[in-house]
Amino acid sequence: DAGVIQSPRHEVTEMGQEVTLRCKPISGHNSLFWYRQTMMRGLELLIYFNNNVPIDDSGMPEDRFSAKMPNASFSTLKIQPSEPRDSAVYFCASSLELWGELFFGEGSRLTVL
Amino acid sequence: DQQVKQNSPSLSVQEGRISILNCDYTNSMFDYFLWYKKYPAEGPTFLISISSIKDKNEDGRFTVFLNKSAKHLSLHIVPSQPGDSAVYFCAASGGGNTPLVFGKGTRLSVIA
Repeated sequence: DAGVIQSPRHEVTEMGQEVTLRCKPISGHNSLFWYRQTMMRGLELLIYFNNNVPIDDSGMPEDRFSAKMPNASFSTLKIQPSEPRDSAVYFCASSLELWGELFFGEGSRLTVL
Repeated sequence: DQQVKQNSPSLSVQEGRISILNCDYTNSMFDYFLWYKKYPAEGPTFLISISSIKDKNEDGRFTVFLNKSAKHLSLHIVPSQPGDSAVYFCAASGGGNTPLVFGKGTRLSVIA
């Protein structure tokens, strides 16, 4: 079975541009999470969904960040406008239940110049 | 405020010796703990877990110890191998509707 699929793997963009990261969770998983990894903060939870409904977005750093999950097999994380400090690796993960084992995608490395 | 703390950003160990990675937590409601391993350019992958009803869980070369009174857990790798070189994340959950909370990670380097 395919794991969590993220795209793009790498994104280089200029400050002010819109960035959209995509995620396909494992089929049958009810929960989806967006994390950001930086040297300073480690793995930081941005937002998570349960049964396609956003449960907690308190980790989203600013209003420039938004996430959607229009159906059980797709989610997006959007940054508009992007800034250099948004440069990080963004991970999507899914799980059967909120407190269960997380399965991570390979990540999307974002560089904002 | 960090609820899960990994105070050692890095650790270097010789091949064949024991690696001990430590993790402290502050939330007494946490009752399920996991370790994840991350190689460069890959996502973290699950390694081993322990629930609060146990104080030890073993899987091959990997053993996790939990000390609830001290709010401390540790991951032991014996013997360490060069392929174990990775970043290890400790994570904790209180069950119910609470997601996993991760520490900042410890980079383990196993030197041949």
